[in-house]
Amino acid sequence: EVQVVQSGAEVKKPGESLRISCKGSGYSFTSYWINWVRQMPGKGLEWMGRIDPSDSYTKYRPSFQGHVTISVDKSISTAYLQWSSLKVSDTAIYYCACGRDYWYFDLWGRGTLVTVSS
Amino acid sequence: QSVLTQPPSVSAAPGQKVTISCSGSSSNIGNNYVSWYQQLPGTAPKLLIYDNSQRPSEIPDRFSGSKSGTSATLGITGLQTGDEADYYCGTWDSSLRDVVFGGGTKLTVL
Repeated sequence: EVQVVQSGAEVKKPGESLRISCKGSGYSFTSYWINWVRQMPGKGLEWMGRIDPSDSYTKYRPSFQGHVTISVDKSISTAYLQWSSLKVSDTAIYYCACGRDYWYFDLWGRGTLVTVSS
Repeated sequence: QSVLTQPPSVSAAPGQKVTISCSGSSSNIGNNYVSWYQQLPGTAPKLLIYDNSQRPSEIPDRFSGSKSGTSATLGITGLQTGDEADYYCGTWDSSLRDVVFGGGTKLTVL
């Protein structure tokens, strides 16, 4: 079965670090771009950035550049989204979304809920 | 404020047809492919349409997409209560060099 499985929900305090993951299976992992999409509570979808698993080329939306890091370990078919210092405003569901082309996403994870609260 | 503009909500009766519009500009819809996503309550988005009008194999032909100039449209025929969801359009913006989404449209099947 073709799927991406995301890590579980996290509850963190402001200033803490976090890394969430997205593991692909059932397909050629390096053939799909991996994107991260944020959905804040009650809001729409925001593209954060993407990575090419074959060479780790990464592209960020400017508003997320410097605040998050996208990485990949193709040896275990897993991509990551990490923060070094979380803010309350990072509270959201984060989706891993994969696409054979970079402009659309045909494979989505179930999402990881990140709650940042003091 | 989203780069792509969608109506906040649409509604129609079961069995009827509905269309959802997505308006952009020459830097996004006008010169790039449009995709559409369905997000059922409490679930992850799912791809409905890609490259303006192409459907993944598992998507029924009740769903269709089209594009004209700087606008795109999602059509849904034979509405079912299970179609109640939020629908998002998306595309690449050549000026921003980002993937951009519309603000989403909530479909209610009365």
